[in-house]
Amino acid sequence: AQRVTQPEKLLSVFKGAPVELKCNYSYSGSPELFWYVQYSRQRLQLLLRHISRESIKGFTADLNKGETSFHLKKPFAQEEDSAMYYCALRGSASKIIFGSGTRLSIRP
Amino acid sequence: NAGVTQTPKFQVLKTGQSMTLQCAQDMNHEYMSWYRQDPGMGLRLIHYSVGAGITDQGEVPNGYNVSRSTTEDFPLRLLSAAPSQTSVYFCASSSEVGSYNEQFFGPGTRLTVL
Repeated sequence: AQRVTQPEKLLSVFKGAPVELKCNYSYSGSPELFWYVQYSRQRLQLLLRHISRESIKGFTADLNKGETSFHLKKPFAQEEDSAMYYCALRGSASKIIFGSGTRLSIRP
Repeated sequence: NAGVTQTPKFQVLKTGQSMTLQCAQDMNHEYMSWYRQDPGMGLRLIHYSVGAGITDQGEVPNGYNVSRSTTEDFPLRLLSAAPSQTSVYFCASSSEVGSYNEQFFGPGTRLTVL
């Protein structure tokens, strides 16, 4: 079975502080993992995918197969990072499931 | 390209009524899916399709039907609406060619069942 767990419903940090949004997954095969973001009044959109090992808007995420985690990190938070963040997993039969989401709030 | 479009934007139903939420995409994507978004529950997959004529159940399929007669359209039908189906519904699509493909989302339909 596929499962994505985001343990934090809300994360509030000060501007300039480091950010880490946690994501753990359960899947027996090789997963495709993604982070999606939903800014206020905008559509859900892709932030990054683990295969690319890219940094988007200063965010990075590393897949840790031993801990089955895919945490999202940013060294210095900015106010424009305030949004809803979802971790997603694509596994068997192309099915894509999402976690429950973490609302990130950046305080000035 | 319009991307992924959904209609209507808002809908109020009475318990027991039926309706169809429309979803269309103009990117020739094989994969389409429906999610519902509820506070504290995140996005939950209702049904998905990997191509015309092929559909499968997601995490929360009960009370919903889908069909995929064309590549472009993937309507979601509520057969007998219940208050528990009050939610925001999102349709999404992606290419099946290759892997790690991005899902493109529609703007959502906010449904209230009284």
